[in-house]
Amino acid sequence: QVQLVQSGAEVKKPGASVKVSCKASRYAFTSYYLHWVRQAPGQGLEWMGMINPGGGYTRYAQKFQGRVTMTRDTSTSTVYMELSSLRSDDTAVYYCARDPGGAYCSSTTCYAFDYWGQGTLVTVSS
Amino acid sequence: SYELTQPPSVSVSPGQTARITCSGDALPKQYAYWYQQKAGQAPVLVIYKDSERPSGIPERFSGSSSGTTVTLTISGVQAEDEADYYCQSADSSSTSVEFGGGTKLTVL
Repeated sequence: QVQLVQSGAEVKKPGASVKVSCKASRYAFTSYYLHWVRQAPGQGLEWMGMINPGGGYTRYAQKFQGRVTMTRDTSTSTVYMELSSLRSDDTAVYYCARDPGGAYCSSTTCYAFDYWGQGTLVTVSS
Repeated sequence: SYELTQPPSVSVSPGQTARITCSGDALPKQYAYWYQQKAGQAPVLVIYKDSERPSGIPERFSGSSSGTTVTLTISGVQAEDEADYYCQSADSSSTSVEFGGGTKLTVL
């Protein structure tokens, strides 16, 4: 069974940065895109962007351009999401999620999610 | 910007059929996906490619598509189906992801 295990909860002050990790296992890490999705308390889901663990290609949602950086370490099958210039409205649970590709759509990237990490709560407070 | 519109809430009694709709202009050109999210948990994919069901998802979950609207149907609703449901699709140029606002399903 595919596993995505994320790092623990973080508390940050406004203006700081946070880096969340997502360690993948039990599948071919470089063969599937990974996405980041966040959910503010009591709110809906919001897509932040994605990374190709194979080549490192990234695509970010326009809202987060300039503030988010997604990277990967193929030696440990881990992707990272760093968000800078944190504000109180960045308080949310951050999820990594795998793109199924292939049979779940008509291309290598579905822009959808078949497995999710457990989520990481990031709290931004002074 | 591209939007997907869902009703905020749907309520049904156990054993009845729940239908949750999702409307968006790009849906005729893009596949829709549905996720179930129970309180305090990560979302779970329940429908992909408009109407396909992943392995392990009960047969009572089904999806359909007509024009700019997709529908998630849960037949014979059970208490355990009480959750938030989100539709999701890519935008028309397949460069970003959009989620509907979510529908809270209440089992009376």
